[in-house]
Amino acid sequence: KNQVEQSPQSLIILEGKNCTLQCNYTVSPFSNLRWYKQDTGRGPVSLTIMTFSENTKSNGRYTATLDADTKQSSLHITASQLSDSASYICVVSLTGGGNKLTFGTGTQLKVEL
Amino acid sequence: SAVISQKPSRDICQRGTSLTIQCQVDSQVTMMFWYRQQPGQSLTLIATANQGSEATYESGFVIDKFPISRPNLTFSTLTVSNMSPEDSSIYLCSATRGAAYNEQFFGPGTRLTVL
Repeated sequence: KNQVEQSPQSLIILEGKNCTLQCNYTVSPFSNLRWYKQDTGRGPVSLTIMTFSENTKSNGRYTATLDADTKQSSLHITASQLSDSASYICVVSLTGGGNKLTFGTGTQLKVEL
Repeated sequence: SAVISQKPSRDICQRGTSLTIQCQVDSQVTMMFWYRQQPGQSLTLIATANQGSEATYESGFVIDKFPISRPNLTFSTLTVSNMSPEDSSIYLCSATRGAAYNEQFFGPGTRLTVL
């Protein structure tokens, strides 16, 4: 069964601090890995997309890394802001999967003053 | 990018009734999808909405319960039929312009509560 597992399940950090979210996947054959941010009551919004040949991708204060050999990815958030409070979802796409995505259960991040 | 809107944004329905959710994209897209997100859970794909033909359903989802239409390249509907409290969930529409690497855009979701 193709799975995407994320850790931690939830995280609380102080504003201005950095944090790293983890994603392990068993999806095969792998096409690309995406990180989405989902604010409460909203649809997911894409942060980064990486193919198996890419090791890192940045989008502002968000930096995603990918190790296709170990099937691990991380999302690093720098200088967190209150608006970063959201669910962060790791999503993997299958090769030839017709754009079907396998979603992780997400990490719920809360940034506090 | 593509901007996706959904109607209604939320609804409270009685057991045994049906609700149709509309999804409108601001530009032509190749593929449209419907997802369900149960409380505290991640997204589960219900079906791929195919233009001009029957939707392709994932395991565990059937056309009689979740009939889907896609009359053109920018619009789709999902009906939740004969609802029960177990259908209480957020239903999201998404769209992509084609190639596997292309970004998949999501609507804001429809929050459904069945009493």
